[in-house]
Parts: sequence; C-alpha cells; structure tokens
Amino acid sequence: GAVVSQHPSWVICKSGTSVKIECRSLDFQATTMFWYRQFPKQSLMLMATSNEGSKATYEQGVEKDKFLINHASLTLSTLTVTSAHPEDSSFYICSASPAGREDTDTQYFGPGTRLTVL
Amino acid sequence: GDSVTQMEGPVTLSEEAFLTINCTYTATGYPSLFWYVQYPGEGLQLLLKATKADDKGSNKGFEATYRKETTSFHLEKGSVQVSDSAVYFCALSNTGFQKLVFGTGTRLLVSP
Repeated sequence: GAVVSQHPSWVICKSGTSVKIECRSLDFQATTMFWYRQFPKQSLMLMATSNEGSKATYEQGVEKDKFLINHASLTLSTLTVTSAHPEDSSFYICSASPAGREDTDTQYFGPGTRLTVL
Repeated sequence: GDSVTQMEGPVTLSEEAFLTINCTYTATGYPSLFWYVQYPGEGLQLLLKATKADDKGSNKGFEATYRKETTSFHLEKGSVQVSDSAVYFCALSNTGFQKLVFGTGTRLLVSP
C-alpha cells in the first residue's frame, strides 16, 4: 500500500499563533518525507525534505525557524507554522517515499491541509 | 538545474475526445518521470510513471512514453471523460535525490 494521511485537513487560526500539521504514512515506512506549499492555481513548491531522526533540509528561501519540521518516527512527520501570519495562508501538502521497496523513488502524497490565518 | 516544462492550460475538450498534454524535461543523469493528477479539492495522486528510456507508463486509460531522444513524456488518453477534469502535473526525480521537480500543471476541462 501507499497511503499518506494529513491532519487536520483544514485549520483556521489567529495571527500570531502556531499551528501543527501531521503527516503519516499509514501502510509503509518512510525514512524521507517532503513538505510542499501550493498557492492557488499554481504548482507545488518544495519547502523541505524531512529525514527520520535528523534535521530537515530546507529549500532556499524557506525560513527554518518559522516552519519547524520534526520527523519523529518512520511513519510520522510534523510541520509547525510558528507565529502564523495571513501570508502563511496556503495549502500545505506532504509526501512520503517508501523505504526498502522497489518504488522507493516514488512519492505518495497526502490530501493536503488548508491553512487560513486571520 | 533540472526542470520540467508543460503546455499551458486550460485544455478544454468534449467528452470522448483525444487528449495530449505535452511535457518536456531537462535533467542530468537518468531521471524517473511521473504524471500526477489533482482532482478539485484533493491532494496529488500518482497517475503513472516510467523509470527508463522507452518505458511506457499506463493507468486508467492514460499513457505516457519516456522518450530520451526528445526528452519528453507526453500524456495521452484516447477518449476522455468528464470525470477526468483535473490538473495534471508532470514531474521528474533524479536518481539518488528523490526530490521531485514539478511542471506548472495543466488544467483539463472536459464537457459533456
């Protein structure tokens, strides 16, 4: 199987608060997970690569102190948007690549989390 | 760096029409190529993939052939349905890197 879930599916928060988004691989182990941001009618922008048991690798221009990523186990990665502001409102999507399988080069995507910051 | 170029949309077709969405890529090495589909309000789903030259990926009536000589991976379907309306993303992943590079996406609108 290759199912990835995200929680919550949507969240509304006040400006200045922090929001945590969970990404889980339900039926496979993933040593690597990825976090993307998608703006309306645009493609996905890779924010960071999350490696189990080590620090995430952030793409250029992504603030690591604002978007905290933790990959605590082989099936769970979390993204915390700290001190959120309206410009952080977006669709956040995670993906995971199966470890130790022939489709290890394939990323399976979660359904996404819609974040709205008021 | 690696990049993927897709035809701009939207592509508007009538039901049962033939579909082609062009995709070309630039990459070092020998990337794997993917088509992902995003239905309205949903996340991306893997539609098909090809991992080496001349491979053909196919799923749900969609096909794409990995053409190394033209660096292309065009998506085709012989007869589209209204339910195929979605945004289609072409992407590549270079060996050993796992990072996906996406095209900008092509919106397909199929009318009855």
